Amino acid sequence: EIVLTQSPDFQSVTPKDTVTITCRASQTIGINLHWYQQKPDQSPKLLIRFASQSFPGVPSRFSGTGSGTDFTLTINSLEAEDGATYYCHQSSSLPYSFGQGTKLEI
Amino acid sequence: EVQLEESGGRVVWPGGSLRLSCAGSGFKSDDYGMSWVRQTPGKGLEWVAGINWNGEATRYGDSVKGRLTISRDNAKNSLYLQMDSLRVEDTALYYCVRGYGEGVFDYWGQGTLVTVAS
Repeated sequence: EIVLTQSPDFQSVTPKDTVTITCRASQTIGINLHWYQQKPDQSPKLLIRFASQSFPGVPSRFSGTGSGTDFTLTINSLEAEDGATYYCHQSSSLPYSFGQGTKLEI
Repeated sequence: EVQLEESGGRVVWPGGSLRLSCAGSGFKSDDYGMSWVRQTPGKGLEWVAGINWNGEATRYGDSVKGRLTISRDNAKNSLYLQMDSLRVEDTALYYCVRGYGEGVFDYWGQGTLVTVAS
């Protein structure tokens, strides 16, 4: 099973900050890496698919980069509504797996 | 608008059985693979099972293999999860998710809570 490790686990941030969350895979996964946002009492929502493709309707301040084993999610000019937990997910091989999550506190 | 609505979650005894359902709308069911993903405070998000567009191919996570069965009825735009021999560690919020072979999970339901306890 591919293990995804996110860092940091938690970050306290301020509106207008730029935040970078990293996700490292235990083996190479190409670009089969996706990012989700989960707000309290809501289900996860897709932000970025296949490492860098923005999902329709997602604000342009969210972007993703990476391939192989190292990936990043960047949030530019953070807004108060971005306070949430962010997860990465790999679909390179079964069983699909998720990172442990990164909680952003605004 | 794509919508997924789960139902069937409840409290059940260890060793018991349960069937979860998911009703989809706003998309053509047989264009997509589907999955169940569960979430617990302790273990985070865990992919449980996936099924291809016509139901002929299924796969499971190691922790549920042999106990949970995923199925679908495209005529009803519905997805199911038959849960047998339930364990305390199966306690979780279960999400119906669009996506499987495609890799990415693009739409999620709101989840249904399964609690296994005596």
